[in-house]
Parts: sequence; C-alpha cells; structure tokens
Amino acid sequence: GAGVSQSPSNKVTEKGKDVELRCDPISGHTALYWYRQSLGQGLEFLIYFQGNSAPDKSGLPSDRFSAERTGGSVSTLTIQRTQQEDSAVYLCASSYTNSGNQPQHFGDGTRLSIL
Amino acid sequence: AQSVAQPEDQVNVAEGNPLTVKCTYSVSGNPYLFWYVQYPNRGLQFLLKYITGDNLVKGSYGFEAEFNKSQTSFHLKKPSALVSDSALYFCAVRVLNDMRFGAGTRLTVKP
Repeated sequence: GAGVSQSPSNKVTEKGKDVELRCDPISGHTALYWYRQSLGQGLEFLIYFQGNSAPDKSGLPSDRFSAERTGGSVSTLTIQRTQQEDSAVYLCASSYTNSGNQPQHFGDGTRLSIL
Repeated sequence: AQSVAQPEDQVNVAEGNPLTVKCTYSVSGNPYLFWYVQYPNRGLQFLLKYITGDNLVKGSYGFEAEFNKSQTSFHLKKPSALVSDSALYFCAVRVLNDMRFGAGTRLTVKP
C-alpha cells in the first residue's frame, strides 16, 4: 500500500489475555519502528528492526512484550498477559533505511484498551 | 545521552497571526532534527527536517524551522496560522540510531 498500515485499529481485551498487533510497512522500507503513546502524550520507543533483525530491544518495557519481523516486511508486536497499564496507542513507523537523515512514516496506530 | 524538550505544553494563537512552537535539544554529536504533526486519531506526519546546510528549513503546509546551533534550538514557525493547523506537534532529534521525541505541544488556532 501507499502508507504504513496497522491492524487492528482498535482492540479491547480483558486483563491477562494475549494480544497481537500487526504492522505492514511501506513497500521497500527496510527499517521498522514500534512506539507507544499514552493519552495523546509523547512517544515511548519500544523496538526497531533493520530487515528482520532487532538491534535495539532496549525500549521493551517488560518480558511480556516481544516483536518479530519476517520477510523484511510485516511485523507483529505481541503483549502477553496484558495489564491495564498496557492500555495505549501503539504506533508503527517505517523508513527507507535506518540512516539518520531518513524521516519515519507512521501508521495510524492500534488503540489498545485493557479492561 | 541525548534529549529533546518542548517547553510549552500548549500554544494558542489567533488565525492569521504568526506562530512559533519551541524545541531545544541536547546531544553529544551532530543531530538530525525533525518536526512531525499529529491530528486526532492519526499517526504522526512528517513536516520537515534539518540535516545540514541552510539553517532555515522549509517544509509542508507553509511551515518552516530554524536551526540554531549556539542555542541548541529548532523552533517551528509559520507566518500566518490557520484554524486547520490546530494539532499536536512533536520535535525529534536523532544521533546515529537513537531517535528521541519531545513530549509534544498542542497548538490551538482560534478563528
């Protein structure tokens, strides 16, 4: 597609359940990033991929969070045993390369609500 | 460690007036600087960037930003604000693989 696509756009689930969020980056973009945004606030970096590799996992808040990317394209962010504090908007972005001068292109996010 | 600060949570301007959204940064190397805008229920949209060269950078929708190395600032400006410019604005700084976003400034343009 023309832009970064994220699904689902909204997800409501019960505490303790696992959730899987999907990101489909712009075709040809090798770098992919996941961020978390709480209540219209700033962005919290979670993880980034260069190709299928994740050189920097430092932002993942706990071992309940994991992410993978296959085929250098689609990425999934998985949250296990969800907690209420996981409620946020999860944003995905991609860029042509991981070069510092490349802007990131964002999807519209997945709004996750944990009951 | 690098950081970026947006000292104003909220900026209010009247339509037709000039607007400024402030950003300052702290880095240990040469930064790449970006501005993004976020409309409700949408992702961030890239507005402009400073990499090197001319300190005044022009971007989308009539926005511009001035890189000031001595003041470590990268303020976003527009000569004449529109009501449709009302949104959340984020400054970002990148050194090598480390990208940091400011907390955001909510701009409200009143008719």
